[in-house]
Amino acid sequence: EDKVVQSPLSLVVHEGDTVTLNCSYEVTNFRSLLWYKQEKKAPTFLFMLTSSGIEKKSGRLSSILDKKELFSILNITATQTGDSAVYLCAVVKETSGSRLTFGEGTQLTVNP
Amino acid sequence: DTGVSQNPRHKITKRGQNVTFRCDPISEHNRLYWYRQTLGQGPEFLTYFQNEAQLEKSRLLSDRFSAERPKGSFSTLEIQRTEQGDSAMYLCASSQGQGPYEQYFGPGTRLTVT
Repeated sequence: EDKVVQSPLSLVVHEGDTVTLNCSYEVTNFRSLLWYKQEKKAPTFLFMLTSSGIEKKSGRLSSILDKKELFSILNITATQTGDSAVYLCAVVKETSGSRLTFGEGTQLTVNP
Repeated sequence: DTGVSQNPRHKITKRGQNVTFRCDPISEHNRLYWYRQTLGQGPEFLTYFQNEAQLEKSRLLSDRFSAERPKGSFSTLEIQRTEQGDSAMYLCASSQGQGPYEQYFGPGTRLTVT
């Protein structure tokens, strides 16, 4: 059975801290891994990673995929209170018609 | 607003009633997905369409659930004889093309079955 596991499930930090969120996966026919941010509404797209070792970056957020060890990390530097959200990791399989299989998410709380 | 839209945003219904939700995808997107999300969990896939064809359905989609996308544009998700376990956020997403393109989500419809 396909599995996507995120850790930690929750994290509380202070503004300015750097955080690393983890996502490991066990799926057959892996194609891509996606990160989403979810506040009290719909998930918003952050990154899609298909190739190992290539960092994707957007402002203070960055992410990288390791297809050998089957995991990805999402880094957020200089955190702000607006980064407080649930961060979701999802995988797409070659044979799945692009359906996303999500992990449980990491609840990040950034305190001022 | 050119994003994915969903209506209604909230629905409260009594057990046993039928409900229907609507999703309007981003206009140039030919793929449309339905997911269900319960508190503290990531979204779970229900079904998806490429244009008007329903190509895949999850085992989660019991025979009380039906989805349509009649003209390859908007989609509806109907739940018949609702049960309390159907209470969840129902999310719609759309994507472009046939590759693993990123999916863009709508705001969701929160269903409460009393």
